[in-house]
Amino acid sequence: DAGVIQSPRHEVTEMGQEVTLRCKPISGHDYLFWYRQTMMRGLELLIYFNNNVPIDDSGMPEDRFSAKMPNASFSTLKIQPSEPRDSAVYFCASSTRQGYEQYFGPGTRLTVT
Amino acid sequence: GIQVEQSPPDLILQEGANSTLRCNFSDSVNNLQWFHQNPWGQLINLFYIPSGTKQNGRLSATTVATERYSLLYISSSQTTDSGVYFCARGVTGGGNKLTFGTGTQLKVEL
Repeated sequence: DAGVIQSPRHEVTEMGQEVTLRCKPISGHDYLFWYRQTMMRGLELLIYFNNNVPIDDSGMPEDRFSAKMPNASFSTLKIQPSEPRDSAVYFCASSTRQGYEQYFGPGTRLTVT
Repeated sequence: GIQVEQSPPDLILQEGANSTLRCNFSDSVNNLQWFHQNPWGQLINLFYIPSGTKQNGRLSATTVATERYSLLYISSSQTTDSGVYFCARGVTGGGNKLTFGTGTQLKVEL
């Protein structure tokens, strides 16, 4: 079975541009998570969905960040406008049910110049 | 306060040596996972272990939930074990959120 799929794997953009990161969870998983990894803050949860509904977005840093899950097999994380401090690796993860094992995608390395 | 604390922060081993990594956590957990982040940045699931003991080859893990700690054992280490090991926990009543520790950076030398 395919694992969590993320695209693009690398993204380089200029400050002020819109960035869209994409994720396809493992088929049959009801939970989808977006995490961000930086040297300063480590790995932190941004938002998670259950059955396509956002449950907790308290980790989203500011209004420039938005996430959607239009169906069970696709989610996007959008940054508009992007800033250099948004440079990080963004991971998507999925799991079958609450409290159960989460599986991570390969991540998207974002660089904002 | 610190919710997930890992030790040691850094570790250098000679190939073939054994090691124990520790994860202390606050609050009761409904999820405890160990990950290995390889040099290419990928997070690889090692164990899902909210309680008890599991083994997978040269790796094993034990979580004592009542005392709020988990241990990861690496035996006969190999250079491919190098990377960062993360412990992450989800709390009972905390939805499905994982909080990560700061990791243990492991380097295995020949």
